[in-house]
Amino acid sequence: AQSVTQLDSQVPVFEEAPVELRCNYSSSVSVYLFWYVQYPNQGLQLLLKYLSGSTLVKGINGFEAEFNKSQTSFHLRKPSVHISDTAEYFCAVTRGSTLGRLYFGRGTQLTVWP
Amino acid sequence: DVKVTQSSRYLVKRTGEKVFLECVQDMDHENMFWYRQDPGLGLRLIYFSYDVKMKEKGDIPEGYSVSREKKERFSLILESASTNQTSMYLCASTARANEQYFGPGTRLTVT
Repeated sequence: AQSVTQLDSQVPVFEEAPVELRCNYSSSVSVYLFWYVQYPNQGLQLLLKYLSGSTLVKGINGFEAEFNKSQTSFHLRKPSVHISDTAEYFCAVTRGSTLGRLYFGRGTQLTVWP
Repeated sequence: DVKVTQSSRYLVKRTGEKVFLECVQDMDHENMFWYRQDPGLGLRLIYFSYDVKMKEKGDIPEGYSVSREKKERFSLILESASTNQTSMYLCASTARANEQYFGPGTRLTVT
């Protein structure tokens, strides 16, 4: 089975500061990687995904992530956050052969302060 | 626009009741999933289905069952609800090994 580790359960930052949410995964085979965002009382929404190709992936709302195969990491970044980015963020991984099953990290709560 | 809908946003049930949570997707996806989400534990997979009438256990299937009679609909059943099943339940669907589309969730409280 895959495992996904989100290294920080909570990340507080001030508005307009940069942020990085860390994600590491365990797998010896090729994987697909995802970041999801969950706003309060809502379902999960896809931020970005890595399937193949360029290791720098750009997503919605100004977020980007970099796939690092040697370090088995897929960290999420944003150069300048807004209060509206306050949400919980989940990293997830899947292998192409497992019928679309996703393995999720435990989530990182990003709180942006004015 | 893709859509996954869940029958209720909030639900309150009594211990021992049989509970049905319904999920419908309009994207003709083969695969559907049920998760529960608890603070600090992230999303845990209960059951998933890769075709009509097919089901597979996830990581925490105990106390739950599922039904998939039609491609677009995937139901989660709590045979006899217990207080430790109080949680947020999320349904998702996907065509293949790609991103999953999530419903808005059902917050279930068992008293």
